[in-house]
Amino acid sequence: DADVTQTPRNRITKTGKRIMLECSQTKGHDRMYWYRQDPGLGLRLIYYSFDVKDINKGEISDGYSVSRQAQAKFSLSLESAIPNQTALYFCATSEGARTEAFFGQGTRLTVV
Amino acid sequence: GENVEQHPSTLSVQEGDSAVIKCTYSDSASNYFPWYKQELGKRPQLIIDIRSNVGEKKDQRIAVTLNKTAKHFSLHITETQPEDSAVYFCAARVAGGTSYGKLTFGQGTILTVHP
Repeated sequence: DADVTQTPRNRITKTGKRIMLECSQTKGHDRMYWYRQDPGLGLRLIYYSFDVKDINKGEISDGYSVSRQAQAKFSLSLESAIPNQTALYFCATSEGARTEAFFGQGTRLTVV
Repeated sequence: GENVEQHPSTLSVQEGDSAVIKCTYSDSASNYFPWYKQELGKRPQLIIDIRSNVGEKKDQRIAVTLNKTAKHFSLHITETQPEDSAVYFCAARVAGGTSYGKLTFGQGTILTVHP
């Protein structure tokens, strides 16, 4: 089945380290998103991309950067990780503006 | 930008009762409203969605209603079962402007169905 795959699934890193979370999809969708989930705050949008040449900031982009290496790949980087970036991160994809978003399995990141 | 408020944050019901979760949105340009269910340790998955040209949609025990004038929409689950226990998220997608195509989520509702 076509899917959205995130790597790694779990990661513990130290404050100040650079870390990259990767997302790849076999759904053939043009749009890709990175969300962060914290208890009581829902899913907050970090960055989104509507095609390879289009990158947009979401509501909480500070401290993060992204790269859309291909239509199927969208990576999220934390240049210098800090403890309050400890969260569950989800990648998602969709086709067009009015269709379902499909989520990856999530990456649980802990910054110590 | 779009802001989505979701209530309640937690909801506890007895098996067989109904559950209602409500969301309001701020951007009148939003035209697509999905609901996602996230079971413990799993990814969010779509359970039902509604587009702005429709006032109500049903799928077996779940239904969603939309009031565009008041800018609110609700999820209704009837005859709840323990397997309905999960976190539910509402969302809104803007059709135009600088926020075109962005999906904004509510804060989530933890639903617990007691046997």
